[in-house]
Amino acid sequence: EAGVAQSPRYKIIEKRQSVAFWCNPISGHATLYWYQQILGQGPKLLIQFQNNGVVDDSQLPKDRFSAERLKGVDSTLKIQPAKLEDSAVYLCASSLDRENTEAFFGQGTRLTVV
Amino acid sequence: AQTVTQSQPEMSVQEAETVTLSCTYDTSENNYYLFWYKQPPSRQMILVIRQEAYKQQNATENRFSVNFQKAAKSFSLKISDSQLGDTAMYFCAFYSSNTGKLIFGQGTTLQVKP
Repeated sequence: EAGVAQSPRYKIIEKRQSVAFWCNPISGHATLYWYQQILGQGPKLLIQFQNNGVVDDSQLPKDRFSAERLKGVDSTLKIQPAKLEDSAVYLCASSLDRENTEAFFGQGTRLTVV
Repeated sequence: AQTVTQSQPEMSVQEAETVTLSCTYDTSENNYYLFWYKQPPSRQMILVIRQEAYKQQNATENRFSVNFQKAAKSFSLKISDSQLGDTAMYFCAFYSSNTGKLIFGQGTTLQVKP
């Protein structure tokens, strides 16, 4: 079974530029999460999708971050414009449904804003 | 809102010895799960062990076991016969069965010394 795929693995951008991350969850997984993990800290939940609907985006800085999950499969997370404090690893995870609780993680995208 | 707290930023243990990582959480919900995830330096998050809140029996997976104290909202991880490959960052996580939300603690960096 293929795992959660994320791209790119690394990205370096200048502040005020835009960036987008892509996530392909495990086939059939209804729940998809995006996390921001600053170096040395725990993952912070940014947004949670159930199929193509948003369940929770209370921690998403909506003035600059946006996310979508078209057709309930792939998802993209965008930052526009980026700030220095957005430097972090962005993790995508998916789980089968609410009853099957194990979340599977991708390798993440390391973003550096200079 | 739920919170997860890990009060030990760093721990170390000698190879073949036993170590316990601490975690406390706060919730008003009755239906939830607790997890320990491992994040090796390669960054991909892996599930170590899961505990259903409605089960009194502590979960065990080979060398990994938990001490789940529901009334005290405590969930510690015990690693027996520590191996060099156990070196990683360990995260305690809370899953709400009501919302499907998965949140993490700050993490504990574990170093296993030869």
